[in-house]
Amino acid sequence: DAGVIQSPRHEVTEMGQEVTLRCKPISGHDYLFWYRQTMMRGLELLIYFNNNVPIDDSGMPEDRFSAKMPNASFSTLKIQPSEPRDSAVYFCASRRSGWADTQYFGPGTRLTVL
Amino acid sequence: KNQVEQSPQSLIILEGKNCTLQCNYTVSPFSNLRWYKQDTGRGPVSLTIMTFSENTKSNGRYTATLDADTKQSSLHITASQLSDSASYICVVTDDVSGGYNKLIFGAGTRLAVHP
Repeated sequence: DAGVIQSPRHEVTEMGQEVTLRCKPISGHDYLFWYRQTMMRGLELLIYFNNNVPIDDSGMPEDRFSAKMPNASFSTLKIQPSEPRDSAVYFCASRRSGWADTQYFGPGTRLTVL
Repeated sequence: KNQVEQSPQSLIILEGKNCTLQCNYTVSPFSNLRWYKQDTGRGPVSLTIMTFSENTKSNGRYTATLDADTKQSSLHITASQLSDSASYICVVTDDVSGGYNKLIFGAGTRLAVHP
């Protein structure tokens, strides 16, 4: 298996622009998670999906952030409009249903907002 | 408030030496504790997972311990190698019935192994 796939790996954009991050989870995994990692705050859970349905989005910082999962093999995280404080590494992770099952993380997207 | 605290924040050791990383948590109720290794520029990778009843778990040169009474865990690395240079993140899962068990992440310990 190729693991969790994220694109792009790096994104540099200007303040005010729309940014879309993409994720393909591991086949057969029915949970998908979006995280943000910064030096100051570490890893933070933004939102997670179960069977393509958003379950908990309490970690989404504000209305500028939105996430969708149109099918079992694809999810997007969108920031509109982007701000410099959104600069971070965004990780997507997926896992199976068992409580002890490990989350497998993608390589991350490093976002820089100028 | 559920928290996970790790120490030290960073650590430098020489290749071949052993080291121990610490994790203290206040998460309650507790489900399990994991140690993740995160190489620079990559996503975290799970090393070990321990439940309430487990005291020790090994994965090669990595040995994790858990004391559920004092809410402390440690990760011991034996005979360190240059490839052990990474951030090590302690993650505790709560045990909330009827809902999603949330993962609470520590800030990580950044380990540098020098030749």
